[in-house]
Amino acid sequence: GAGVSQSPSNKVTEKGKDVELRCDPISGHTALYWYRQRLGQGLEFLIYFQGNSAPDKSGLPSDRFSAERTGESVSTLTIQRTQQEDSAVYLCASSLYGQGYNEQFFGPGTRLTVL
Amino acid sequence: AQKVTQAQTEISVVEKEDVTLDCVYETRDTTYYLFWYKQPPSGELVFLIRRNSFDEQNEISGRYSWNFQKSTSSFNFTITASQVVDSAVYFCALSEEKETSGSRLTFGEGTQLTVNP
Repeated sequence: GAGVSQSPSNKVTEKGKDVELRCDPISGHTALYWYRQRLGQGLEFLIYFQGNSAPDKSGLPSDRFSAERTGESVSTLTIQRTQQEDSAVYLCASSLYGQGYNEQFFGPGTRLTVL
Repeated sequence: AQKVTQAQTEISVVEKEDVTLDCVYETRDTTYYLFWYKQPPSGELVFLIRRNSFDEQNEISGRYSWNFQKSTSSFNFTITASQVVDSAVYFCALSEEKETSGSRLTFGEGTQLTVNP
């Protein structure tokens, strides 16, 4: 299938280490989103990429979080000096365009555990 | 700021019962979109429906139906004759139309539905 893929599916790290999470969007989708889902909670928006426009980083919780996207392809979410509060499932979604009516297709997520 | 409230944290029903999941939203925009997603135990979110703010017509898809009422800012989801496979967390979400910053989804906290045989 040609859905959104994410890697790794699970990541266990020690407090203070850096981690990189990867997202492969659906081919041809111009918009890409990162969300965080803490245990038993809804999804929180982190960052949004649309084509070659400047990303919307307004949801990033601290400057330890950053993300990149090359063109309309792969995106990487980096968390530096991880804290236990960063433990969550990180979900990536893509949509054909960025407008509100566009359905977002979600990947399976990366479960991050910070010990 | 936009907000989505799903007051029901958990619902438990017996198979074949009808169940309604409530969703109330807040937004200052006149153009917005409402979504329902299903998150089964596998964790992957599955899109169920999208409605725009100008279309209050209710929708039925098989055993699923949705009731959108702008007057009460609600977008409720009903499953008729529930089945065990309907057991999942259901999320209501809202997106606004923003030209410059994309249309992030604002999610409710989710309702855990358990359908018992």
